[in-house]
Amino acid sequence: KAGVTQTPRYLIKTRGQQVTLSCSPISGHRSVSWYQQTPGQGLQFLFEYFSETQRNKGNFPGRFSGRQFSNSRSEMNVSTLELGDSALYLCASSFAGAMNTEAFFGQGTRLTVV
Amino acid sequence: DQQVKQNSPSLSVQEGRISILNCDYTNSMFDYFLWYKKYPAEGPTFLISISSIKDKNEDGRFTVFLNKSAKHLSLHIVPSQPGDSAVYFCAASAGDYKLSFGAGTTVTVRA
Repeated sequence: KAGVTQTPRYLIKTRGQQVTLSCSPISGHRSVSWYQQTPGQGLQFLFEYFSETQRNKGNFPGRFSGRQFSNSRSEMNVSTLELGDSALYLCASSFAGAMNTEAFFGQGTRLTVV
Repeated sequence: DQQVKQNSPSLSVQEGRISILNCDYTNSMFDYFLWYKKYPAEGPTFLISISSIKDKNEDGRFTVFLNKSAKHLSLHIVPSQPGDSAVYFCAASAGDYKLSFGAGTTVTVRA
């Protein structure tokens, strides 16, 4: 079956702009999580959605937001972009998000803010 | 607050030998631990996991050991192969719908 699909793969934006990233989970998976990866920092948790409800949120400013649609597809939005937002943004899907089973990651969206 | 720590940023090992990756954690609420492997330009892929009720889990060449009293886990790869060259992330879950990751260890397997 198809894996987790993230679009676009690469983005270049200017400071102050906003950006929307998309994630299509594996068919049948209802949990979608978002992570930010920066060099030396590992993956930092942004938020998790299940059946259109946000169940957990990481320690990121309010400029970072997300949502999930009824078909489990998810989007995350970053407003008023800053240089420090340059990172690889990864989406992961799992059946229930309980984390006692593996989560499947997409290839990520590489965001560069100039 | 980094609750999962991988103190070795890199590891170089000869092909055929054992690779040992270490991970420490501080949150006693973590009850499930996972290892992910990541190649450049790809997303992380699941490797192996262990529940806190166990102290060892084995899958082929990969074995994960958990020492709860020391809040320490390790991943052993035996024998190491060139295709194992990648970044390895340790992750932990406290059942709150998120994973806490370490910063990663870059493994290089030398021929």
